[in-house]
Formats: sequence, structure tokens, C-alpha cells
Amino acid sequence: DGGITQSPKYLFRKEGQNVTLSCEQNLNHDAMYWYRQDPGQGLRLIYYSQIVNDFQKGDIAEGYSVSREKKESFPLTVTSAQKNPTAFYLCASSQGRTETQYFGPGTRLLVL
Amino acid sequence: AQKVTQAQTEISVVEKEDVTLDCVYETRDTTYYLFWYKQPPSGELVFLIRRNSFDEQNEISGRYSWNFQKSTSSFNFTITASQVVDSAVYFCALSSSNSGYALNFGKGTSLLVTP
Repeated sequence: DGGITQSPKYLFRKEGQNVTLSCEQNLNHDAMYWYRQDPGQGLRLIYYSQIVNDFQKGDIAEGYSVSREKKESFPLTVTSAQKNPTAFYLCASSQGRTETQYFGPGTRLLVL
Repeated sequence: AQKVTQAQTEISVVEKEDVTLDCVYETRDTTYYLFWYKQPPSGELVFLIRRNSFDEQNEISGRYSWNFQKSTSSFNFTITASQVVDSAVYFCALSSSNSGYALNFGKGTSLLVTP
């Protein structure tokens, strides 16, 4: 079945630690996106990538980093510079930049 | 600047009632795309409908219908004969070249349908 997978479902981060959230898609989509959702809020864009080896900052990129070495993978690293990382992280992909985005199941990040 | 406003934060209805979720948007782009997504308690966003700015034809799909009005910058969503399984948070979103075609979301409307 085609789709978007995110792992892990829950992730715990210790103070000063970098953690990486995985996002994989087998839809052969060119574009991939990372969004952050805080309780009672809409989603905000962290980073997006329209093609392999290229990505752009979104509205809240500070404290995050990404890579796009393969078409099907777009991992997000939450660095220690991100002071308030507790949130629900959603990955999405689309065939092209004007096409509909489809979302993965999300990862909940909690700080210990 | 782009903005999506969902003025209704929470709506509660009894099963079988009709319910309309409001969405108002702002954009300077002449070509843009509007979306509705549903987020059930599990958290995953489920795509419901997409409308292009140049297509104002409204549509009915089963119990769902959409009303896109460019003159008032609104893109409202109606559920007819609501069911308990419709309980979720519903998000309206906008994309255009101004945002690199990333989605600009409203804050969502939480719909509770009770038996």
C-alpha cells in the first residue's frame, strides 16, 4: 500500500539532546513538508523540499534541520537549540508543489 | 500576507443535525488553492476537498458540501445529517505561490457530534 510513514510514534528528548524524526513515503511524490502542531493550534510549516538535495525554511525553522538525500525520505532533526520542542510533528508529501498534500500519522515529541 | 480564519473554535451538535464550518481567507495571489482537512482523535490529517481559485463551482459529495465564494473570500464546509464519527477537528488551509505552495492553516474548528 502506498502511503507516508513516520517513526517513532512517541519520542522523548532529554535536555541538550538532538533527536531525529523519520518520514518516508512510497508515493513517488516530489515534494515533502514538515509541520508542527501545538495544542489547540493549526499547523505551522517548519521546512519543505520540492526536489532531492534542495529544501527551504518555513515559518518556524529555527532549532530544526532537515536533509533530502533520497526522494522518499525527509528526516527532521530537532536540535538542542529548539527550546520548546514539545509538540505533534506531521510530515506531508505531494506530487508537485501545487498538488494536494497528504499526511503521515505524526510523531509526538515530549521533553523529559 | 496570507491568512486563514476559522472563527468557530468549537461546535456541538446532536446527531442528524446539519452543521456548517466557516472559513475566511486572505491572499494577494490571483491563483491559489483551498483545502479542508479532518483530524480525528488519532491525530492524522485526512484530506477532504480541494478547490482552485479559478473554479467556483460548488459541490456535493455524499453528506459533505462546499460553498466557495470568491467575492467574500469564504470557503465554507457543510455536513448534512451529522454522525458521531464526524467528531473531529476540521482545518481549512490555503496555498499559493506566496508561500511556496506550502499550506497555511486556520486554527481549526472542533466538532462534537453527540448521539
